Amino acid sequence: ILNVEQSPQSLHVQEGDSTNFTCSFPSSNFYALHWYRWETAKSPEALFVMTLNGDEKKKGRISATLNTKEGYSYLYIKGSQPEDSATYLCAFRMYSGGGADGLTFGKGTHLIIQP
Amino acid sequence: ETGVTQSPTHLIKTRGQQVTLRCSSQSGHNTVSWYQQALGQGPQFIFQYYREEENGRGNFPPRFSGLQFPNYSSELNVNALELDDSALYLCASSSAGSSTDTQYFGPGTRLTVL
Repeated sequence: ILNVEQSPQSLHVQEGDSTNFTCSFPSSNFYALHWYRWETAKSPEALFVMTLNGDEKKKGRISATLNTKEGYSYLYIKGSQPEDSATYLCAFRMYSGGGADGLTFGKGTHLIIQP
Repeated sequence: ETGVTQSPTHLIKTRGQQVTLRCSSQSGHNTVSWYQQALGQGPQFIFQYYREEENGRGNFPPRFSGLQFPNYSSELNVNALELDDSALYLCASSSAGSSTDTQYFGPGTRLTVL
C-alpha cells in the first residue's frame, strides 16, 4: 500500500503572507507527482505535474519543488489572496511499466486565507 | 473545449441497490479513471479504462465495475450497495501517451447510501 502524506492538515494564513506545505511519498518506483487545487463545489484543478528530481514549477504566485530521492515535494504560495483558499492535494504516480496510471492521493492541506 | 462532466450531481440509494454513475471525457481524451473520496480521505483509485477496456484497478471489490464507450464516455456501476459506499465519486480523463500526463477531473457525484 502506497503512503502519501500531506502536512499540515489545515492552515490559516493572513492575506498577503506567504506559505508552504509538504507532500511526502515513496522514493522508489517514482513516475510523477501531481498537485491539484480543489475549491469547494468545483472540480479539482491541475496545478503541476512534476517528473524529474530537482524540478521546480511555477504558475503565477504558486510554485512547487520536487525531491524524488528523499520523497518530498513542497508547494509555495507567495502573497496569499482570498481566492487561494482551497484544499491542495498531491498525488503520486508509481512507475507501472505501461500499466494503469492510477494516482495515489494524500488527504490534502486545507488552506484558509483570512482577510 | 468542453471539460469533464459527471451525472447525476447527487444520488441517494438504499443498501443492496445498484447504481450507475456517468462521466463524459474532455474532448480528445481516450482514458478515463474513477476515484472514490470518502469523508476525510483523499481520492482513492478505483479503476481506469483505455480504449473501452479496463487496464488497471485499485483495491476495490468486483461489485465495482465500469464501461467505456466508443466516444470515450464512461460509466461506473456499483452493485449490492453498502453503507460504506457513501462517498464522492470522481472521474478524470486524460490522453494516454501525453507527456504531461495530467488527469482532468469532473466535479463528482455525491452518493449517499441509507
